[in-house]
Amino acid sequence: AQRVTQPEKLLSVFKGAPVELKCNYSYSGSPELFWYVQYSRQRLQLLLRHISRESIKGFTADLNKGETSFHLKKPFAQEEDSAMYYCALSNQAGTALIFGKGTTLSVSS
Amino acid sequence: NAGVMQNPRHLVRRRGQEARLRCSPMKGHSHVYWYRQLPEEGLKFMVYLQKENIIDESGMPKERFSAEFPKEGPSILRIQQVVRGDSAAYFCASSLGQKNTGELFFGEGSRLTVL
Repeated sequence: AQRVTQPEKLLSVFKGAPVELKCNYSYSGSPELFWYVQYSRQRLQLLLRHISRESIKGFTADLNKGETSFHLKKPFAQEEDSAMYYCALSNQAGTALIFGKGTTLSVSS
Repeated sequence: NAGVMQNPRHLVRRRGQEARLRCSPMKGHSHVYWYRQLPEEGLKFMVYLQKENIIDESGMPKERFSAEFPKEGPSILRIQQVVRGDSAAYFCASSLGQKNTGELFFGEGSRLTVL
């Protein structure tokens, strides 16, 4: 079965602290994974995808096939990072994204 | 570019009525996706459409739900004889093409409340 699990509903950190948002997946074959973000009163938008191996707004995510994980990391959190983060997996047919339930990141000063 | 436009933003229906939700994709996008978000749940895929074609409807409930994306005009998600369990936020997204399925541009959602 294709599935995305985000074990944390809420993650609270202080400004300047490291952040790791966890994502685990279940998939047969080579997965295509994404992180989406929704800031307060904004639309859900793509943050990054694993095939690009890019860093966006200081965030990175590495695909670990052995642990079936795609955790999102940032070394120093900023208050403007506070948002809802969703991990997503492209389905086998390549026709849809399977989303996790999301993690709310709260960064306080 | 106004982005993906959904209307209405809020819709209230009584049990048994019909709900119609509309979605206009981003300019230049011909692929539309509908997702449903129930309270405390993530986004659940419902249907993927191209102009005049349903590509994948594996997430659509078998009864009462239908979707279309005509040659002209917005995509429409139609729910007949609504029940309380249909109360949810319905999100539309669009992409340039099927190989861009991972890069979705979302609308602000339509919140359906069934009384």
